[in-house]
Amino acid sequence: DQQVKQNSPSLSVQEGRISILNCDYTNSMFDYFLWYKKYPAEGPTFLISISSIKDKNEDGRFTVFLNKSAKHLSLHIVPSQPGDSAVYFCAASVQGAQKLVFGQGTRLTINP
Amino acid sequence: ETGVTQSPTHLIKTRGQQVTLRCSSQSGHNTVSWYQQALGQGPQFIFQYYREEENGRGNFPPRFSGLQFPNYSSELNVNALELDDSALYLCASTVGTGLGYNYGYTFGSGTRLTVV
Repeated sequence: DQQVKQNSPSLSVQEGRISILNCDYTNSMFDYFLWYKKYPAEGPTFLISISSIKDKNEDGRFTVFLNKSAKHLSLHIVPSQPGDSAVYFCAASVQGAQKLVFGQGTRLTINP
Repeated sequence: ETGVTQSPTHLIKTRGQQVTLRCSSQSGHNTVSWYQQALGQGPQFIFQYYREEENGRGNFPPRFSGLQFPNYSSELNVNALELDDSALYLCASTVGTGLGYNYGYTFGSGTRLTVV
């Protein structure tokens, strides 16, 4: 039972343009959402998060949007840079639980 | 400060064998979680240790077991290895309270386990 889904395995974007990565979830109990970035041979690194009481959180070039009614969140990267090329994971948690539930990941490639 | 260190980086084992993976948590971190990441999938939660006690477990069989030591480093042990155990095993540490998820996890680079 895949509670967090990233339906696009890969995404290719021109440098300088906007990258939009999407994530859907099924568990309405999730109340905190995170995005992680992973380079080859490295562990995931935290990028940005959002609580279920908000619908938007911004940090520099990165913005996460949460649509609770649609059980959907997205990560916007503007402008996209070559160093953004990585695998991006969406993750969710329930307050009081010990675990993060991850999506399958989306490989983002930024083309010069 | 040092980050999370995992050893070994790569490992090849035969089906039926046992394996121990090691994790040194980031300095000052008292909570360690282990995740399994199969090829093409996202990480899946195995279990968490807080102050040397298991503090939450995912949907993994008992042949997956762990330890946390007084210095908060941790081990993941897998008995009776199966081919499907081939994966990247990630360790993550944080400063926790044991009462719920702490979102400031630092991940290690992982151990790539191949079972043949």
